[in-house]
Amino acid sequence: RKEVEQDPGPFNVPEGATVAFNCTYSNSASQSFFWYRQDCRKEPKLLMSVYSSGNEDGRFTAQLNRASQYISLLIRDSKLSDSATYLCVVNNAGNMLTFGGGTRLMVKP
Amino acid sequence: ETGVTQTPRHLVMGMTNKKSLKCEQHLGHNAMYWYKQSAKKPLELMFVYNFKEQTENNSVPSRFSPECPNSSHLFLHLHTLQPEDSALYLCASSQDWRSGKDTQYFGPGTRLTVL
Repeated sequence: RKEVEQDPGPFNVPEGATVAFNCTYSNSASQSFFWYRQDCRKEPKLLMSVYSSGNEDGRFTAQLNRASQYISLLIRDSKLSDSATYLCVVNNAGNMLTFGGGTRLMVKP
Repeated sequence: ETGVTQTPRHLVMGMTNKKSLKCEQHLGHNAMYWYKQSAKKPLELMFVYNFKEQTENNSVPSRFSPECPNSSHLFLHLHTLQPEDSALYLCASSQDWRSGKDTQYFGPGTRLTVL
């Protein structure tokens, strides 16, 4: 079983749609969680950290369910510029990040 | 953004060549990392340096040799690579490796092709 699993997609959605991505992780001792965004042929950039209580940043909402070892990202009112690959990232020890394979999102006009 | 820079951005090398990748961070961070991103595979952590000391070597073959002369610079020396080593090599930095919630900032990467 992969340490961090994501549906690779692609998710094709129209502008304005709401889309949700899920991610599961295998290590119950994982300490912290993040969503990164990676545009084609570019480096990953931190989108948001994920806290147990859930957190929101504008159109983006992240949720963590430790009991189910499950992380989610919700994007509301999708924009064309949201098209990218979204990486689920888990920190197991120290600052050693384990990345999921990414979920590709394509927002269409 | 110029927080983390990498050179060269593209590199083509033969299997018998020796080359080096360079990373520099301008963020005042103390931890630096090398990652490998192959096509259709997740990013894989290769090496971690914290305060210039190597703290992790993630079972990387010896044909990859890191060097961290100071907290701002990180090199990856390459020799006798294989075609399957072709990938995007990403450098990252963060404030302190020991922190479990430190944000890592990535450089633009070096796209390496081994012929």
